[in-house]
Amino acid sequence: EDQVTQSPEALRLQEGESSSLNCSYTVSGLRGLFWYRQDPGKGPEFLFTLYSAGEEKEKERLKATLTKKESFLHITAPKPEDSATYLCAVTGGGNKLTFGTGTQLKVEL
Amino acid sequence: DAGVTQSPTHLIKTRGQQVTLRCSPKSGHDTVSWYQQALGQGPQFIFQYYEEEERQRGNFPDRFSGHQFPNYSSELNVNALLLGDSALYLCASSLQGRSGNTIYFGEGSWLTVV
Repeated sequence: EDQVTQSPEALRLQEGESSSLNCSYTVSGLRGLFWYRQDPGKGPEFLFTLYSAGEEKEKERLKATLTKKESFLHITAPKPEDSATYLCAVTGGGNKLTFGTGTQLKVEL
Repeated sequence: DAGVTQSPTHLIKTRGQQVTLRCSPKSGHDTVSWYQQALGQGPQFIFQYYEEEERQRGNFPDRFSGHQFPNYSSELNVNALLLGDSALYLCASSLQGRSGNTIYFGEGSWLTVV
């Protein structure tokens, strides 16, 4: 059974204070690892898909990396508008996603 | 380009009632999946529809059923509602045959069972 564990559960940063979120996973034959951003009361917003170990993708202040056992979402010089819950999910095929419980990020001025 | 659309956005039902939620996938997508997200949890996979058939199912009872129409839109039906069914129900769309491709979510339908 596919499993995803995210850490930390919650993270509070000062504006400009860079950090990383962790996603550890076990899946039989990874076909994709996904990162989503979710604002309160909203649906998940797609950020990245990573397919193989060593792959990296960037978008504005966010950079996602992937190894054979985990993925990191690096946030560089965050701003208050980056505050959200960040969800990690994996699929072993068929586009069925298994999610972690998310990391709740709060960026303060 | 319209994204994934869901309706209704909010609804309140009484225990024992039945509910139907609706979803239209992103243009060009042919596969619809449904997820349940309880407060403070990650989304849990309910089932997936492709070519008007249920293709995969998560660990949910038969009270949860669905349908996909020829235009790829989908419905989620829940019978005999329980208090524990209160959650955000999310629809996700994707393109079959491209495992691991981008999967987009709608804004969800908030269901409260009282």
